[in-house]
Amino acid sequence: QQQVKQSPQSLIVQKGGISIINCAYENTAFDYFPWYQQFPGKGPALLIAIRPDVSEKKEGRFTISFNKSAKQFSLHIMDSQPGDSATYFCAASKGNRDDKIIFGKGTRLHILP
Amino acid sequence: KAGVTQTPRYLIKTRGQQVTLSCSPISGHRSVSWYQQTPGQGLQFLFEYFSETQRNKGNFPGRFSGRQFSNSRSEMNVSTLELGDSALYLCASSLGPTGNHYEQYFGPGTRLTVT
Repeated sequence: QQQVKQSPQSLIVQKGGISIINCAYENTAFDYFPWYQQFPGKGPALLIAIRPDVSEKKEGRFTISFNKSAKQFSLHIMDSQPGDSATYFCAASKGNRDDKIIFGKGTRLHILP
Repeated sequence: KAGVTQTPRYLIKTRGQQVTLSCSPISGHRSVSWYQQTPGQGLQFLFEYFSETQRNKGNFPGRFSGRQFSNSRSEMNVSTLELGDSALYLCASSLGPTGNHYEQYFGPGTRLTVT
C-alpha cells in the first residue's frame, strides 16, 4: 500500500514529441505528488509537484495530470527536447512529519535529436 | 547559496570493510535524508534526521546507520560491506521534515563500489 508504481521503465521519443510517464498509487492518504528529474552524475532535482485538490498543473512544457478516483498521476513533457533526456521519478507523501516520501523506480527518457 | 555537498564522491571498498559517508546540507536546512540508488531498485529510503533525531528509517539491515550533528551535517556508516551495497548513495536536505512536504535538495551522491 506504500508503493508508487511507475511506468514505463524507459522511453524513447522523437524531438518535438510528447513524453508521457505514468504513476499509480494505492494509499489514499497520500496528498503530495512531486516529480524529480535526474541527469547523469547529478542528484535528482524537483521538477514539478501537485496536490490532489487540482487535476492538472502546468509549468512551461511540463504538466502533471492527476486522477484522484483512479489513483493515478502522470507527467507530460510537451515539445520534448534532447536536453530533457534524463531519468524521471514520481513520488508521493502523506503530510505526516514523521513519514517518508515514497519514490517510483524511475523512467529513463531519451529524446532523439 | 551552496548546494548539498557529499564526500567522498567515489569510493572503492572491499567486502567486510566499513565505510563512512558525509553530507553537508544547505545552510539553514535542518533535515537530512539518505537514499540508496541502484539501477534495479531506484531510490530507496535509508533514514531521515531532523534536529539530530532520526525521524524515520527504511527497510535496511542494521549494518546501515547514520547520525546528524548539531550543525545539521550528517554521516552514514555501513559496516561489514557486501557486494550488494554497491550503489549511489544520495543525501538530500530540506528546511523541515520531508513528511511535511518541504522540498528536498539532493547532493550529487557518493558512488560506492564494493569488490
